[in-house]
Amino acid sequence: DSGVTQTPKHLITATGQRVTLRCSPRSGDLSVYWYQQSLDQGLQFLIQYYNGEERAKGNILERFSAQQFPDLHSELNLSSLELGDSALYFCASSHGQGGYYNEQFFGPGTRLTVL
Amino acid sequence: AQSVTQLDSHVSVSEGTPVLLRCNYSSSYSPSLFWYVQHPNKGLQLLLKYTSAATLVKGINGFEAEFKKSETSFHLTKPSAHMSDAAEYFCVVSVTPGANNLFFGTGTRLTVIP
Repeated sequence: DSGVTQTPKHLITATGQRVTLRCSPRSGDLSVYWYQQSLDQGLQFLIQYYNGEERAKGNILERFSAQQFPDLHSELNLSSLELGDSALYFCASSHGQGGYYNEQFFGPGTRLTVL
Repeated sequence: AQSVTQLDSHVSVSEGTPVLLRCNYSSSYSPSLFWYVQHPNKGLQLLLKYTSAATLVKGINGFEAEFKKSETSFHLTKPSAHMSDAAEYFCVVSVTPGANNLFFGTGTRLTVIP
């Protein structure tokens, strides 16, 4: 158990809908990262927040947004969902801002299925 | 630009035989390198990491990896495979202290035959 929690575990929804994925980092970790894992794209970095502020952006679509709250939990919002958004979404956390020495600890993931 | 290439998408070994999962990286800077493991329906777990200290890195569950700058490689090895090692393994690079995101390889699925 990494100490990172994600809810829900599974989510099934329809195209065009909007969903929110939630992540609680390990105690003491200030950074939260979101990743998408799909069969065709592999594991891709989406976005990072550090202590409430956006720190880095990866391949995140405009239909997706995220935020980190004062208690350091984070939410990833996915809107106007398409079939291709079906994937496993991982949250990870690290103590520092990232890079060399800040290993990331991954949550169990949320499996999103868009029908 | 930085990238990581896992040379085998699938490796199959017999229980008790050595494991070799290959990874090559490309980086403009001295990288940090990681191996993560993902068991079915689970999140990713850090196996080991290289951050410019010793070139031979020991990780959990008997795994180790050697950083070879001249070959730009970071291959993962284990002397004797166990059934519980069956999983997907990802080689990952993080470059420069200021870079916050990890670049993942495409993964190698390890099958262990009893």
